Amino acid sequence: NAGVTQTPKFQVLKTGQSMTLQCAQDMNHEYMSWYRQDPGMGLRLIHYSVGAGITDQGEVPNGYNVSRSTTEDFPLRLLSAAPSQTSVYFCASSYRTSGLYGYTFGSGTRLTVV
Amino acid sequence: QKEVEQDPGPLSVPEGAIVSLNCTYSNSAFQYFMWYRQYSRKGPELLMYTYSSGNKEDGRFTAQVDKSSKYISLFIRDSQPSDSATYLCAMGANFGNEKLTFGTGTRLTIIP
Repeated sequence: NAGVTQTPKFQVLKTGQSMTLQCAQDMNHEYMSWYRQDPGMGLRLIHYSVGAGITDQGEVPNGYNVSRSTTEDFPLRLLSAAPSQTSVYFCASSYRTSGLYGYTFGSGTRLTVV
Repeated sequence: QKEVEQDPGPLSVPEGAIVSLNCTYSNSAFQYFMWYRQYSRKGPELLMYTYSSGNKEDGRFTAQVDKSSKYISLFIRDSQPSDSATYLCAMGANFGNEKLTFGTGTRLTIIP
């Protein structure tokens, strides 16, 4: 049981480049989300999805797109990378009753935009 | 003002000490409360969860919620060097509302 798998683990982008951060879970979780973690800011929600075909914006969605075509996958797309998007990105998933089970997080993608 | 406030630390204590980690919050709708532990360069992992007010104990860890004061705590007894990590509190409004709001995390170091 792999849990939540994020790829790549590290990435360096040039300003203006685009890329996709991959996230996959094998726990049949309905809910998936993307967070970014910055020093002093904690975890901030970028986008989330409550099921295949359904996505919504979180606290800091600008510059990012998501889609959820299957229950298992929830990729995050950076449209035109900016230095302000340098961060550690975490994907998380849970059952709808996240209050009981909490989130399962991936190990993160460390992104640097130069 | 943030919905959830957490002292970022860092906090250093000697091995065997009792550690108290705290969060305050402003949203009265929060009903369930969690603590996550995050080791360096890893994703957060769920450590404890509680629903509504009261205490919950799991081994050396005790989670405490005081909804009247909008204050939650995590106590670690007989602290070990392996407890050195960043601890994040998280809160949610109700079952079926999956979004959690996280504190900024407290970095804890247990000194052998």
